[in-house]
Amino acid sequence: ETGVTQTPRHLVMGMTNKKSLKCEQHLGHNAMYWYKQSAKKPLELMFVYNFKEQTENNSVPSRFSPECPNSSHLFLHLHTLQPEDSALYLCASSQVSGNTGELFFGEGSRLTVL
Amino acid sequence: DQQVKQNSPSLSVQEGRISILNCDYTNSMFDYFLWYKKYPAEGPTFLISISSIKDKNEDGRFTVFLNKSAKHLSLHIVPSQPGDSAVYFCAAMLYAGGTSYGKLTFGQGTILTVHP
Repeated sequence: ETGVTQTPRHLVMGMTNKKSLKCEQHLGHNAMYWYKQSAKKPLELMFVYNFKEQTENNSVPSRFSPECPNSSHLFLHLHTLQPEDSALYLCASSQVSGNTGELFFGEGSRLTVL
Repeated sequence: DQQVKQNSPSLSVQEGRISILNCDYTNSMFDYFLWYKKYPAEGPTFLISISSIKDKNEDGRFTVFLNKSAKHLSLHIVPSQPGDSAVYFCAAMLYAGGTSYGKLTFGQGTILTVHP
């Protein structure tokens, strides 16, 4: 596989469920990101990982818990979500050195919270 | 406060004509500006970027213009093709050394439809 792959593509969960989103990049990049796109809103940065270390948490509620076991894999653990958390969650990766904003995005995981 | 704004939710043009997508920003400290394109059921893909020290960058049919005094940038697509129909996002980045990469501020997007 090439590029950035996200699973699952679609997820429906209740407010008491625990689920995880998975992202894998095959580009040899050393930074990975979670972005969120809610309806009629711009993409919002949630988390940044650089060489497996979290370098940014953009005031995200604790019901979203990221995990980056290595530079190729990124998870977003979800628990006790609210209906307003329904959105498209996009994973991205990039090189760090010399990067001027070019990110490589996955296709996204469409989350619906009932 | 939204720092990057795309005020036109949609744009419709005829094949072969020019498409002009606009973006306004409020933070004069942004160092780089980018355009991303998104097709349905796909992730955004990088299209073209421009440094704040330049006023124009061209790549094939795509040209980005930056007007710093007006805090405005635009993407020109000439000639427009039906395959260009997609959502176009404007984004901006502050370059603050090693930790600034990938921290983009996005606009809401403009849906471009190119009619055959």
